[in-house]
Formats: sequence, structure tokens, C-alpha cells
Amino acid sequence: GENVEQHPSTLSVQEGDSAVIKCTYSDSASNYFPWYKQELGKRPQLIIDIRSNVGEKKDQRIAVTLNKTAKHFSLHITETQPEDSAVYFCAAYQGTNAGKSTFGDGTTLTVKP
Amino acid sequence: EAQVTQNPRYLITVTGKKLTVTCSQNMNHEYMSWYRQDPGLGLRQIYYSMNVEVTDKGDVPEGYKVSRKEKRNFPLILESPSPNQTSLYFCASSFSREKTQYFGPGTRLLVL
Repeated sequence: GENVEQHPSTLSVQEGDSAVIKCTYSDSASNYFPWYKQELGKRPQLIIDIRSNVGEKKDQRIAVTLNKTAKHFSLHITETQPEDSAVYFCAAYQGTNAGKSTFGDGTTLTVKP
Repeated sequence: EAQVTQNPRYLITVTGKKLTVTCSQNMNHEYMSWYRQDPGLGLRQIYYSMNVEVTDKGDVPEGYKVSRKEKRNFPLILESPSPNQTSLYFCASSFSREKTQYFGPGTRLLVL
């Protein structure tokens, strides 16, 4: 089955700096890759996603890049703010089992004011 | 208000006592899914449903059952709960797997 590895597990940055979280996946048939943000005690929320026919997608301060050959995708947050502090999860949806998803273990991002 | 609801929100039970966690959405979503979240392990998919009467296993289906008799409801059934099923459970729904998935508020389960 699919295996998703997420790094780093914790990340601390200064306000205004950039943050990068990387995920690798094992199943080359995976074709949909969402990112979720989960604040403490709350439910996960989708922040950005990318499909396998796209190399990069941007939404204001957040961007995601996908390298299908290397089977990795990354979340980039620029100009970080304290409210960006949360746990971030990547996920990969398998093309063969269309509804099946595998999540990374999460990255705890702390943005210091 | 568009939402995914789960009940109960908190549950303490004993080993072997059957329980059901309900999940309901009012957004006419076709895709629904159950996850469990444990510290350090992220979210792990238990079961998912692409549409009514269509369900399939996720990565950790053992010890769980689901049904999808109507579009809005997707209950999670633990026939004989065990302590290793103590976890935080989330239900989620979306129009399709590549559309925004909305999560319910979560159900915190403790099995003694």
C-alpha cells in the first residue's frame, strides 16, 4: 500500500521567515495531494491541494510543489505569522483505490513573534 | 449551516460493549470517510464511501464496520471495542475525493 513520510516532525521559525514541509510517497499511481492545517483542539482544515498533472499551485502566502519523478511534494509558507502555528498534515490519494488516502504523521510548526 | 456532525463527542465505554458513532452531513456530499487520530501517528483512514451503498477499507479497518444506507449518514460501528481503539475519531465529507473535505468536530473515545 501507499506510504507517506513527512519531514520535519517539528519546525520552529521566526515571524516573517519562510517554512517548508516535505512529504514523500511510495505509490506512483497516487494522483491527488492535499495539505491540512490543524490548530490545537480543532478539526483539520484543507489549506491547499495539488493534482498530479500540475507542478505547482499557489494561494497567497501558501504554495505547494509536486515532483512526480521523485515522488515528493512540499508545502511552502512565506512571511509566516504567529497564527500559522499549528500541525500540518500532507496526504496522498491513490489512483487505483480512488477514495483511499494515506496521511503523513504531521509537522508541528511554531512561529515565534 | 453547512456542516458535518458527529455524536457523541465524548464516550467512555468498556471492552466488548458495542457502540456506534454517528456522522451526518447536510451538504449533499457523495464522498465520506472515517479517520482515527493518535498522537504522533497523524490521521489514519478507517473506511470510506464513494457513494450510497459503496464502502471500502482504508488503512486501518480491523475492528470497525460502516454502512452507507443514505447519502447524509455514515455511522461507524465498533462491534466489540478494545482498549487499542481508544482514539480521537473524525468523520469527513466532500463532493468528491478531489474536492474540499470538511471534517466533523471529532469524537473522543476511551475504551477501558
